[in-house]
Amino acid sequence: DTGVSQNPRHKITKRGQNVTFRCDPISEHNRLYWYRQTLGQGPEFLTYFQNEAQLEKSRLLSDRFSAERPKGSFSTLEIQRTEQGDSAMYLCASTLGLSYTGELFFGEGSRLTVL
Amino acid sequence: KNEVEQSPQNLTAQEGEFITINCSYSVGISALHWLQQHPGGGIVSLFMLSSGKKKHGRLIATINIQEKHSSLHITASHPRDSAVYICAVRYYGGATNKLIFGTGTLLAVQP
Repeated sequence: DTGVSQNPRHKITKRGQNVTFRCDPISEHNRLYWYRQTLGQGPEFLTYFQNEAQLEKSRLLSDRFSAERPKGSFSTLEIQRTEQGDSAMYLCASTLGLSYTGELFFGEGSRLTVL
Repeated sequence: KNEVEQSPQNLTAQEGEFITINCSYSVGISALHWLQQHPGGGIVSLFMLSSGKKKHGRLIATINIQEKHSSLHITASHPRDSAVYICAVRYYGGATNKLIFGTGTLLAVQP
């Protein structure tokens, strides 16, 4: 297992198009997080899964954003009708266990550029 | 005001210098993370601590729960330490499992 994997690493799209990012967490990690990071800022929480259940969703996540983790393994983050403000790095992280203090392992991120 | 404040925002050091990056937070926490992010790269977890001090190689992290403050120290800094260092906290007892991140400290170590 080589860690958390995200793809695509880079995506350039035109405004109004839909994009989907995939995250493959470390196997057996039951918790998966999505974050968004814009230039010069720290990551911002978007949503969180425990197994297949989406337990929390940030107010940053508009109706155009949807995330799934259908079998409790990989997760997808879809953005519909992209806007230029969606341009950012989308980071996925996973951790194991029920404790709130589990160490997080991050993927390399998926960079989105909306033209 | 951000819930997690880091200082300095930018830091330039000469190779070999001792470096300190500070993190202050405004709420009770169950854990604090120090993370490293290289330009264009992913995030690597350096430390997770809830009390005291941890050391790994040339890196040392300390936390003072009463003062709501943590520091990351780098001894004998090297150009390969150049990266963004991010502090993130997890609230104590909250239902949320999200981390609250600082904006990061950009460190450049010159040879």
